[in-house]
Amino acid sequence: DTEVTQTPKHLVMGMTNKKSLKCEQHMGHRAMYWYKQKAKKPPELMFVYSYEKLSINESVPSRFSPECPNSSLLNLHLHALQPEDSALYLCASSQGTAIPKPYEQYFGPGTRLTVT
Amino acid sequence: SQKIEQNSEALNIQEGKTATLTCNYTNYSPAYLQWYRQDPGRGPVFLLLIRENEKEKRKERLKVTFDTTLKQSLFHITASQPADSATYLCALLNTGFQKLVFGTGTRLLVSP
Repeated sequence: DTEVTQTPKHLVMGMTNKKSLKCEQHMGHRAMYWYKQKAKKPPELMFVYSYEKLSINESVPSRFSPECPNSSLLNLHLHALQPEDSALYLCASSQGTAIPKPYEQYFGPGTRLTVT
Repeated sequence: SQKIEQNSEALNIQEGKTATLTCNYTNYSPAYLQWYRQDPGRGPVFLLLIRENEKEKRKERLKVTFDTTLKQSLFHITASQPADSATYLCALLNTGFQKLVFGTGTRLLVSP
């Protein structure tokens, strides 16, 4: 199984709502990632988890809160978002993050988020 | 400042021809470079990886070159097919922690 699944596919939320995005992989990967992608732009890294510990936070606003409950699951909790946070949120996983082996990343289909 | 630039205009070619996509970077010293394909509304899919000490890598109809002097990678698709139409992203990995940074992407359109 080389699939990364993400739920929901689409999400519309108001600026005062709290919601969560979910990501799951069953490839035994030990690194998981959240990316944000705006229309016609490349994915931008938000967070990296390695062995269930947060390794990188790319100065993401605190209204985005990641969580890695176990090695297969990754959540992104959303609270008090702004309309400019509307984007495609992509989850990815890789076998690891350590040099010297540069692991490829497997991406999920994304969650299309609209903040109204 | 650090930049990873790809052809901003869409690349239109005829079926059967070779598509060549360019990735230029500045103020990076990548140890590895990856190419991904992304279809509309989908996540990127990994295609090829090339190391800084490799000049060329091939996989089926795909070929990637990596010139660290020119700070450039070229991505070739030979005998292109309409199914190859997609956005192609290059991505750099520096030495150290594996943070993948994507280029701006090039949209390829292959017409029958």
